[in-house]
Amino acid sequence: DAKTTQPNSMESNEEEPVHLPCNHSTISGTDYIHWYRQLPSQGPEYVIHGLTSNVNNRMASLAIAEDRKSSTLILHRATLRDAAVYYCILRDVVGGGADGLTFGKGTHLIIQP
Amino acid sequence: DSGVTQTPKHLITATGQRVTLRCSPRSGDLSVYWYQQSLDQGLQFLIHYYNGEERAKGNILERFSAQQFPDLHSELNLSSLELGDSALYFCASSVGTGQYTGELFFGEGSRLTVL
Repeated sequence: DAKTTQPNSMESNEEEPVHLPCNHSTISGTDYIHWYRQLPSQGPEYVIHGLTSNVNNRMASLAIAEDRKSSTLILHRATLRDAAVYYCILRDVVGGGADGLTFGKGTHLIIQP
Repeated sequence: DSGVTQTPKHLITATGQRVTLRCSPRSGDLSVYWYQQSLDQGLQFLIHYYNGEERAKGNILERFSAQQFPDLHSELNLSSLELGDSALYFCASSVGTGQYTGELFFGEGSRLTVL
């Protein structure tokens, strides 16, 4: 799987939007962009994924750049429960899935009350 | 609750010993993945089983082995344990095959401490 680059940590205030960036300049045409998060003392949790178009679900929005070399996970109104490590992961749909997910170091999101 | 059950939640053992970690996937999921998370290495993929067959191997040591049974639960066996094996071990399941399957559902993990 192609590599991603994320900031080590970010800080935001409660009830404000949060934009978590991810760079993936070597992304291939068959790579899906996945986001997972890991709350303290828990297993990773799926957040959202997309290929080319922006995506929305009940947890977050995913904005994908037109050239697909970067993406942004948007939490529209952060709560204290959103404090977690957020992982941006590329997953190749071709021959893919066998290796599961390749986790990097992710972004440690800190939410201030 | 992801629907993935891992036991035991905590395990303390001594070097040289052998332990077995168990994972019950979500109902209907055929794929099971094992991951190791230590402080210095982050989340590392170990092995993937689909419907009883091994599909992919990651950074799994020879002292470690896994299997998936006909009822789809999986076990990860860790032998000749060393201090460095102390970590959180996560199991994840997904619906599909080795092809693209969408999201993985993770259990809460088994925390292994080797003394």
